[in-house]
Amino acid sequence: AQSVTQLGSHVSVSEGALVLLRCNYSSSVPPYLFWYVQYPNQGLQLLLKYTSAATLVKGINGFEAEFKKSETSFHLTKPSAHMSDAAEYFCAVSTSGANNLFFGTGTRLTVIP
Amino acid sequence: DAGVIQSPRHEVTEMGQEVTLRCKPISGHNSLFWYRQTMMRGLELLIYFNNNVPIDDSGMPEDRFSAKMPNASFSTLKIQPSEPRDSAVYFCASSFQLAAELFFGEGSRLTVL
Repeated sequence: AQSVTQLGSHVSVSEGALVLLRCNYSSSVPPYLFWYVQYPNQGLQLLLKYTSAATLVKGINGFEAEFKKSETSFHLTKPSAHMSDAAEYFCAVSTSGANNLFFGTGTRLTVIP
Repeated sequence: DAGVIQSPRHEVTEMGQEVTLRCKPISGHNSLFWYRQTMMRGLELLIYFNNNVPIDDSGMPEDRFSAKMPNASFSTLKIQPSEPRDSAVYFCASSFQLAAELFFGEGSRLTVL
């Protein structure tokens, strides 16, 4: 079975600072990995996905994530935080498709002006 | 393009009442998922359909919950009778061919008094 662990349920950064949200996965087979973002009172929206092509994946809104097999990690980064990045971020793993997509518990990002 | 449409956005009801949540998936998507989100348990997959057929309902909490998909453009999630512990945000999501890129609706926030 696969799972993801998101380290830190809350992360605060200053506007303009680096954003780093951590995700570690567990999977017995090569995984597909995802980051979703949820803005207040909205549904989840796909930020980016890793599907065994390039290990560095670029997503929307300037976010990117790097798949590191040796560390079983898929951390999300953005060089410079913007106020509009304040949201909850979910890491998710799948081995075959949406029918076995497992979400992490989420990390709430606060951006301090 | 219209996304996944859910109704109602907010529902407040009393314990014992029947609740029906509705979802219209994105046109052309043939997989539909119902999720529940709570602070305590995070995102839980309740049930999913592929080509209008329920494939896995193992996440449905108990017999009080039922879901139907009578056609490709409509699904319902019913709770009868409702209980205060059912209070949550219920999300519908759709995808194409069980692809793990899910498109979420804005959710239905249910409060059972």
